[in-house]
Amino acid sequence: GESVGLHLPTLSVQEGDNSIINCAYSNSASDYFIWYKQESGKGPQFIIDIRSNMDKRQGQRVTVLLNKTVKHLSLQIAATQPGDSAVYFCAESSMNNAGNMLTFGGGTRLMVKP
Amino acid sequence: DADVTQTPRNRITKTGKRIMLECSQTKGHDRMYWYRQDPGLGLRLIYYSFDVKDINKGEISDGYSVSRQAQAKFSLSLESAIPNQTALYFCATSEPQGRDTQYFGPGTRLTVL
Repeated sequence: GESVGLHLPTLSVQEGDNSIINCAYSNSASDYFIWYKQESGKGPQFIIDIRSNMDKRQGQRVTVLLNKTVKHLSLQIAATQPGDSAVYFCAESSMNNAGNMLTFGGGTRLMVKP
Repeated sequence: DADVTQTPRNRITKTGKRIMLECSQTKGHDRMYWYRQDPGLGLRLIYYSFDVKDINKGEISDGYSVSRQAQAKFSLSLESAIPNQTALYFCATSEPQGRDTQYFGPGTRLTVL
């Protein structure tokens, strides 16, 4: 079946370094992607999204890159801070889905070392 | 997100008990969702509702039921709880236009003994 997944369950980075979290998806019809951040004890929070007509989108300290050729999505966090420690999920949807149904990956835990 | 609230935040219950989890939103969104999250797994969709009169099963609806009492309220029930329903449960909302992001509540941690 179609799925969205993450390669690394845990990523440990030094404070101030850049972080890159990766996500592979298998549904070639996917055309909308979202990154969520989930802190301990909280619900997922929207970080950034990207549509398939783009290959890069930047936010505040975050950049999402989309490579449709290899069905790969990444989230780059610049100058990682302790407050960035959380689990990060990618999610995707496609026009084949009713409404805006999202399929979520398993999540990557980002740990920021001081 | 304070715009989406869930009650209770934590609940411990016994096998066979009926449990209701409630979700309220002040975002004015028509679409609401219930997800389940298990350790190491992504969010899995239980039920979703596009408006008050529209209820749909998600990926893992067996053992669950829902009620959309109003645009702002969407409840999830476990008619007879079992231990493998121990999980984190999240409610989410989204706007009906296009395919915008979903906004999540803080979650309910449910433990079934």
